[in-house]
Amino acid sequence: QVQLQQWGAGLLKPSETLSLTCAVYGGSFNGYHWNWIRQPPGKGLEWIGEINHGGSTNYNPSLKSRVAISVDTSKNQFSLKVSSVTAADTAVYYCARLHSSGWYRLDYWGQGTPVTVSS
Amino acid sequence: EIVMTQSPATLSVSPGERATLSCRASQSVSSNLAWYQHKPGQAPRLLIYGASTRATGIPARFSGSGSGTEFTLTISSLQSEDFAVYYCQQFNNWPPWTFGQGTKVEIK
Repeated sequence: QVQLQQWGAGLLKPSETLSLTCAVYGGSFNGYHWNWIRQPPGKGLEWIGEINHGGSTNYNPSLKSRVAISVDTSKNQFSLKVSSVTAADTAVYYCARLHSSGWYRLDYWGQGTPVTVSS
Repeated sequence: EIVMTQSPATLSVSPGERATLSCRASQSVSSNLAWYQHKPGQAPRLLIYGASTRATGIPARFSGSGSGTEFTLTISSLQSEDFAVYYCQQFNNWPPWTFGQGTKVEIK
């Protein structure tokens, strides 16, 4: 059974860098794209970006200048960094696996990490 | 960027009744569409992918249909555990993989 477990700092000040990590247990790490999604309070889901095991990334153009996703295949982990955060980055952040064989879908998700940006 | 528009924003349904949720894409996404169920404090749960294929373990009361720009998620007989927010997501054009704004299914 595939499980995604995520962690990271939950309270940041404006201008700091958000940093989250997601570890993948069970299943293969290769052959999938590993995604980050967020949900601001009272709003819907927003796709942030993705990375594959080879380190190739794709980002949401609206966040691209501040986002970096990296991977550590030796640990089956991937990480998200968002620089220069503001209150607008307050959200629950999720990691998820993109199954890209056949029809694409986000089939396994982490439990979510609430992140608050406040001075 | 493909814009996904879901309707209605809120759907009030009695247990045992049928719920029909709509998702419209600003341009064709073929059948590259997934539906998720999201409950407060939980991770989203994949229900449907490829517009109409139920994910593993999803009850048969959930069904998806459509292609191109118009999609529907139908819950044939609502159970208490089905009251949640439902999102569609397109995978035809990236970046980004865009979500709809969600439909909240609430108890009538």
